[in-house]
Amino acid sequence: GAGVSQTPSNKVTEKGKYVELRCDPISGHTALYWYRQSLGQGPEFLIYFQGTGAADDSGLPNDRFFAVRPEGSVSTLKIQRTERGDSAVYLCASSLQREGEQFFGPGTRLTVL
Amino acid sequence: AQTVTQSQPEMSVQEAETVTLSCTYDTSESNYYLFWYKQPPSRQMILVIRQEAYKQQNATENRFSVNFQKAAKSFSLKISDSQLGDTAMYFCAFRMMDSSYKLIFGSGTRLLVRP
Repeated sequence: GAGVSQTPSNKVTEKGKYVELRCDPISGHTALYWYRQSLGQGPEFLIYFQGTGAADDSGLPNDRFFAVRPEGSVSTLKIQRTERGDSAVYLCASSLQREGEQFFGPGTRLTVL
Repeated sequence: AQTVTQSQPEMSVQEAETVTLSCTYDTSESNYYLFWYKQPPSRQMILVIRQEAYKQQNATENRFSVNFQKAAKSFSLKISDSQLGDTAMYFCAFRMMDSSYKLIFGSGTRLLVRP
């Protein structure tokens, strides 16, 4: 497809488990962003990649959260020892360049029981 | 730190009427972008309109227009001839021209267009 895709669409896990959320950006887009949207709130920035490197990870809430983008395309957001407070929709966006329009994926709804 | 405030949690409008959604922001920067995004139940954020802070002219996109008041740090969205498909959450967002260009969002306004 031509847009940003995210898998899985929904993920239910138990407290303490490890999860991985995947983002496939639009082909050729060098910039990739992760946001977290809690219920009834606007998205909050987590991390920004330019190419393979994390250029700004100031939004990651703690060291349980980690993200990679090893080949400068697909990105994976990894959450260790999940907590109920991690339940949210995780949105990914990509842009051709960092100053370009950000195109969003449909998100992954994470539920931690 | 930059903040974005949307003080209207919910709005309702009759089909074909006009509605205005409010947004205020706080920043000490002089160069930045402002956006309105639409989020339908499918969760996918869709860009509605954008405004560069250095431009005095208000942006318009078909039925959507903004009232950008830089001194007042206000950025409202006007939707004319409202359609049922406009029913969605609307988020105001701010973006600096810094190293990451990350978006800072408000808490959103839920808009219901009544038939």
